[in-house]
Amino acid sequence: DAGVIQSPRHEVTEMGQEVTLRCKPISGHDYLFWYRQTMMRGLELLIYFNNNVPIDDSGMPEDRFSAKMPNASFSTLKIQPSEPRDSAVYFCASRPGRQDNEKLFFGSGTQLSVL
Amino acid sequence: AQSVTQLGSHVSVSEGALVLLRCNYSSSVPPYLFWYVQYPNQGLQLLLKYTSAATLVKGINDFEAEFKKSETSFHLTKPSAHMSDAAEYFCAVKKGGGADGLTFGKGTHLIIQP
Repeated sequence: DAGVIQSPRHEVTEMGQEVTLRCKPISGHDYLFWYRQTMMRGLELLIYFNNNVPIDDSGMPEDRFSAKMPNASFSTLKIQPSEPRDSAVYFCASRPGRQDNEKLFFGSGTQLSVL
Repeated sequence: AQSVTQLGSHVSVSEGALVLLRCNYSSSVPPYLFWYVQYPNQGLQLLLKYTSAATLVKGINDFEAEFKKSETSFHLTKPSAHMSDAAEYFCAVKKGGGADGLTFGKGTHLIIQP
């Protein structure tokens, strides 16, 4: 398996622009997580899905952030409009069902820079 | 709420020396604890996990961690550091209250001196 695939690897955009980050989880994994990593705050859970359904989005910082999972093999995280403080590395992770006790498989991340 | 605190944002050891990375947890229920490693420009990978079985947990690459309830600690150790161990290490605890997902510490950057 290719693992969790994220695109793009790097994104540079200007303040006010819309940004869309993409994730393809490992086939057969029921859970998908979006994390944000910054120097100041470390790794923060933004939202997670179970069987394509959003379960907990309490970590989404503002209404400017939205996430979707239209099918089992694809998820997007959208920021509209983007702001410089959104600059971070965004990770997508997936895992099998509950029996695997939280072993997460992470993608390589998207480095987002908002100028 | 469950949380973890990693002591020391940077740890530097000589090649061949003992590695000790500290993690303390706060949990209202018996915790599930994890150590993850992040190599440069990569995502996190699971090193080891504690799920209330043996208190001494062995992971990949000769890393191990010991769960000590009396000290609320889950420190990560390796007897002999290798240059390839240079990375960022994260302690994490499973969220409580039936929620899925992990709460991560801020991370410790391990530097290996030749």
